[in-house]
Amino acid sequence: EVQLVESGGGLVQPGGSLRLSCAASGFTFSSYDMHWVRQATGKGLEWVSAIGTAGDPYYPGSVKGRFTISRENAKNSLYLQMNSLRAGDTAVYYCARAGPQLAGAIDYWGQGTLVTVSS
Amino acid sequence: DIQMTQSPSSVSASVGDRVTITCRASQGISSWLAWYQQKPGKAPKLLIYAASSLQSGVPSRFSGSGSGTDFTLTISSLQPEDFATYYCQQANSFPLLTFGPGTKVDIK
Repeated sequence: EVQLVESGGGLVQPGGSLRLSCAASGFTFSSYDMHWVRQATGKGLEWVSAIGTAGDPYYPGSVKGRFTISRENAKNSLYLQMNSLRAGDTAVYYCARAGPQLAGAIDYWGQGTLVTVSS
Repeated sequence: DIQMTQSPSSVSASVGDRVTITCRASQGISSWLAWYQQKPGKAPKLLIYAASSLQSGVPSRFSGSGSGTDFTLTISSLQPEDFATYYCQQANSFPLLTFGPGTKVDIK
């Protein structure tokens, strides 16, 4: 059974840093592109970053230069280092797997971890 | 960047109704479109990929169509468990993704 379990969320002050982790199991982690997607309370889904199987990272303009995605295949783990956090980064952060042969769709999501940026 | 819009933003419907949700991309994305269902407090669930392919385990009352810039998600006969928010997502510039703003389906 595919499982994605996020951790590392919490309360952080504006300008602070936080590192999210995602533990993957039930599939060959190294063979899949992975994503982070976030959702502010009562709002829609926002793509935050992606990493390819070769470790190549991708970001939207809203987080580029502040967030860093990485993976450790030997530990079946995905990470998101978040620096210079702002109130607008407050959201539930989901770890997600890009489905194979699914034209870029996400087939598995974690349960999410809440990040709150506030003084 | 590709922008996604959805209409309507919300719809009230009854059990058994046919519901259609529209998604539009700001530029052509071929068939690189997915649809998700999300219930409160839960992660999204993949319904449709490649614009019209039904994800394994998803009931056949869900269907998708379209290509280029205009897409639709249809629920042929709304069931009680279908009341949720639905999102489209483009992957034409994969792995860069963009989600639509969502359509909430609630009980009339």
